[in-house]
Amino acid sequence: GAGVSQTPSNKVTEKGKYVELRCDPISGHTALYWYRQSLGQGPEFLIYFQGTGAADDSGLPNDRFFAVRPEGSVSTLKIQRTERGDSAVYLCASSPGLAGDNEQFFGPGTRLTVL
Amino acid sequence: DQQVKQNSPSLSVQEGRISILNCDYTNSMFDYFLWYKKYPAEGPTFLISISSIKDKNEDGRFTVFLNKSAKHLSLHIVPSQPGDSAVYFCAASPFGGATNKLIFGTGTLLAVQP
Repeated sequence: GAGVSQTPSNKVTEKGKYVELRCDPISGHTALYWYRQSLGQGPEFLIYFQGTGAADDSGLPNDRFFAVRPEGSVSTLKIQRTERGDSAVYLCASSPGLAGDNEQFFGPGTRLTVL
Repeated sequence: DQQVKQNSPSLSVQEGRISILNCDYTNSMFDYFLWYKKYPAEGPTFLISISSIKDKNEDGRFTVFLNKSAKHLSLHIVPSQPGDSAVYFCAASPFGGATNKLIFGTGTLLAVQP
C-alpha cells in the first residue's frame, strides 16, 4: 500500500512569511509524528498525535510552530513568521498507534528554505 | 544535551567485510532502540530494533547488540554490500516501543567500497 506522503517536497519562502506543510500518513495509522532534521543532525522530535489530539508537543521550539490533525488522518504543520533558522527538512512519520509499535514509518520530508 | 550519540561521523568498509556502527546513550530510562537507514532525498527507513530485555537481535545480515551496563549499542552488517552505503541513525525511546517520540543520534555515513 501507499506509504507516508508529504507535500510540498520543497518550499522556499522569505523571512517573516507563513508556511504550511502537509502530511498524509499510512491509512489506518492512528499515531502521527513530526520531526525536523537540520544539516548534519539527526531527526529532532517536534510533536506526536494520537488520533486527533496532540499527545506530546514538547518538541515544538516556540509558539510560532503549530500542528493540527482535525480528522485524525492528514496533518498540517504550520509555521508563522518564519526565520532563517527554521530552514531544515521536516519529516513526518506514522505508526499503527498500538502500545509497543515496532517502528515509525517515515515520509520523504519537505525541505524548507527560508531566505 | 545529546542523549543519543554516534561519535563516528563516517565509516568506510570494503564490500564483503563487516560494518560495525556504534551508538551510546546517556538516559537509563531508554528501553527500546532502533536503527534507521537514510538515503539522500528520502525519509529514514527502519532496519532493526531491540528491546532492553534483550542483548541481541538478528535479522538477516543485520544484528544489533545492546550492552545496558555500558549504555552502548552497535549495529553489525555482514557481509557489507555497496547498496548499504547510506547514513545510519540510532534512535531510542523510553516508552517500551516506537509509539511516542524517538530520540535520534547524529548519524554515521557508511561507505561500502566495491
